[in-house]
Amino acid sequence: KAGVTQTPRYLIKTRGQQVTLSCSPISGHRSVSWYQQTPGQGLQFLFEYFSETQRNKGNFPGRFSGRQFSNSRSEMNVSTLELGDSALYLCASSLEGTSVISGELFFGEGSRLTVL
Amino acid sequence: AQTVTQSQPEMSVQEAETVTLSCTYDTSESNYYLFWYKQPPSRQMILVIRQEAYKQQNATENRFSVNFQKAAKSFSLKISDSQLGDTAMYFCASFTSGTYKYIFGTGTRLKVLA
Repeated sequence: KAGVTQTPRYLIKTRGQQVTLSCSPISGHRSVSWYQQTPGQGLQFLFEYFSETQRNKGNFPGRFSGRQFSNSRSEMNVSTLELGDSALYLCASSLEGTSVISGELFFGEGSRLTVL
Repeated sequence: AQTVTQSQPEMSVQEAETVTLSCTYDTSESNYYLFWYKQPPSRQMILVIRQEAYKQQNATENRFSVNFQKAAKSFSLKISDSQLGDTAMYFCASFTSGTYKYIFGTGTRLKVLA
């Protein structure tokens, strides 16, 4: 079974630009969540999607947005990039459903964003 | 608000020795789960061990075990017989099934010395 796939793996942008990151979850996983990882801050929760609906959202400005498609693939977008947005963005999928709540996350390798 | 605190930014241990990583959490929820995840250098984050809050028995997975003190809201990870492959960043996390929200700590960087 293929794991969680994130693209692109590395990207460099300049301030003011926007970026879209993509995440393909493990087949059968309907929950996808996104995290921002920076040194000293750990992982900060961005948002979580299940069956194309955002179920929860972290404390990030509106420049950060996401969506999930009917095949469970997810994208996140950051507009008007700032230097502080430089981070590793991790996507994780999980086998969550009405009868299955394991809580276990399966992570992708991440997309490392550098904002110059 | 839910919080997870890891007070040890870095630790080191000699190969074959035992090390304990600390974690405290705070939540007002009654139904939650606690996790330790491992992120090896330049590699994917993987689950190490999982504890359901309603279970009193401490979880164990081979060389990894937890000390879950619910009243104290403490959830430490013990690694026995440390191996070089245990070198990684370790994150403590809580998950609340009602809100489907994960909260991670800031991580502990563990280095196993040969």
